[in-house]
Amino acid sequence: EVQLVESGGGLVQPGGSLRLSCSASGFTFSGYIMYWVRQAPGKGLEYISSISINGGSTYYADSVKGRSFISRDNSRNTLYLQMSSLRVEDTAVYYCVKRLTAASVGDYWGQGTLVIVSS
Amino acid sequence: EIVMTQSPATLSVSPGERATLSCRASQSISSNLAWYQQKPGQAPRLLIYDVSTRATGIPARFSGSGSGTEFTLTISSLQSEDFAVYYCQQSNNWPYTFGQGTKLEIK
Repeated sequence: EVQLVESGGGLVQPGGSLRLSCSASGFTFSGYIMYWVRQAPGKGLEYISSISINGGSTYYADSVKGRSFISRDNSRNTLYLQMSSLRVEDTAVYYCVKRLTAASVGDYWGQGTLVIVSS
Repeated sequence: EIVMTQSPATLSVSPGERATLSCRASQSISSNLAWYQQKPGQAPRLLIYDVSTRATGIPARFSGSGSGTEFTLTISSLQSEDFAVYYCQQSNNWPYTFGQGTKLEIK
C-alpha cells in the first residue's frame, strides 16, 4: 500500500524557515517524480514544486521561487521542502504527491501538514 | 501561466441525477487535463487523467471529455458519496495549475 506521510509543519513567524519532510513507502520511491502541492485554508490547490527521480531537475512556482528548495533522499525514501523567508500567505496545508507513471498528475497524496505563518 | 476556469462554482443536483462540470483553459492544453475530487478534511483523489482515462478504482459513472481548451466531467448518476468539491488540473505547462473548484452539493 502506497503511503506518504508529511511532517514538519507548525507555527512559524513571518520571515522564518521550516523544513517539511515526506516519508514514502509502498512503492519504489526512487522511480517516481514527486511534487509538493499546497492548499490555503478554504482555498484551492497550488502546485509549488516538482523534483525528478534523481533530484537533478527541480521546478518551482513563482510564488515560492527563490525561497524554497525541494530535495529528496532516495536512500531514505524521503522528500523534503525547505522553506525560508516565510510569508503570511504561505499559510496552507502542504501535500506530498506522487506522480502517476502515465501522466503529470498526482495519483497518491499524503494527508498533508499544516504550516501557519503568523506573528 | 495557464489559467483554468471552472463553472459553475456551485452545482446543486439530486441523488440519481446527472452532473456536468465544466473546465476551460486559457490556452490549448492538448489532452493534458485531469480531474480530482476532494472531500472536507481529506486530500484530493485523482479521478481522471488525459481528459478521459479513469484512475484506478474510479467507478464508470465518472467520465471526462473535451479537447484543446474546453473540458467536461460528467457523473452519470450521483451517489451520496459524490457530493464534494471537484478540481480540474492542467499538466501541459509548468506550473501545473488547477481550477478554482466546483462544489457539488445535494439539491
